[in-house]
Amino acid sequence: DQQVKQNSPSLSVQEGRISILNCDYTNSMFDYFLWYKKYPAEGPTFLISISSIKDKNEDGRFTVFLNKSAKHLSLHIVPSQPGDSAVYFCAVTFQGAQKLVFGQGTRLTINP
Amino acid sequence: NAGVTQTPKFQVLKTGQSMTLQCAQDMNHEYMSWYRQDPGMGLRLIHYSVGAGITDQGEVPNGYNVSRSTTEDFPLRLLSAAPSQTSVYFCASTPAEDYYGYTFGSGTRLTVV
Repeated sequence: DQQVKQNSPSLSVQEGRISILNCDYTNSMFDYFLWYKKYPAEGPTFLISISSIKDKNEDGRFTVFLNKSAKHLSLHIVPSQPGDSAVYFCAVTFQGAQKLVFGQGTRLTINP
Repeated sequence: NAGVTQTPKFQVLKTGQSMTLQCAQDMNHEYMSWYRQDPGMGLRLIHYSVGAGITDQGEVPNGYNVSRSTTEDFPLRLLSAAPSQTSVYFCASTPAEDYYGYTFGSGTRLTVV
């Protein structure tokens, strides 16, 4: 039973525009919501997170929004750059930080 | 500072063989986890540990064993490899008080033929 779902396997965006990646979850008891970025042949790297008690968190070009009533998480990247091309995973933690559970990932391609 | 080190980087096994994937971290992190990545499935949690001597099952534990005798090491054992275990395996660690700082290794690509 998939607790975290990313329904778009891929997304293509023009350089300089906004990229919006989406994620849906099923359990309202999750503690933190996170986004990870992954390049080929490398491990995932942490990008940005948001606590379940907040609805927005910004870090430079990256903003994460949490809509608890809809159980929906989104990542906005603006402006998008070629180096942002990667696979993005949303993830959730529960039982504190003991368990980190991932979605299926969305491959983002930024076109020049 | 090496972070999370996984060995080997690549491995080919025959069906029925056993092997151990090694994971070591030098950051004194309490929590460690093992994931497998398969196309279209994202990263799925196999086993995790919250400290030396304590392990628990994740989403897909069947066919894998783990132990945690020290804070630094968290090996993953395949007792009898099957083609369905062909995957890329990632180890990760984080401090107990950190809610987002999981650090990942670079992965082990395993092929079972």
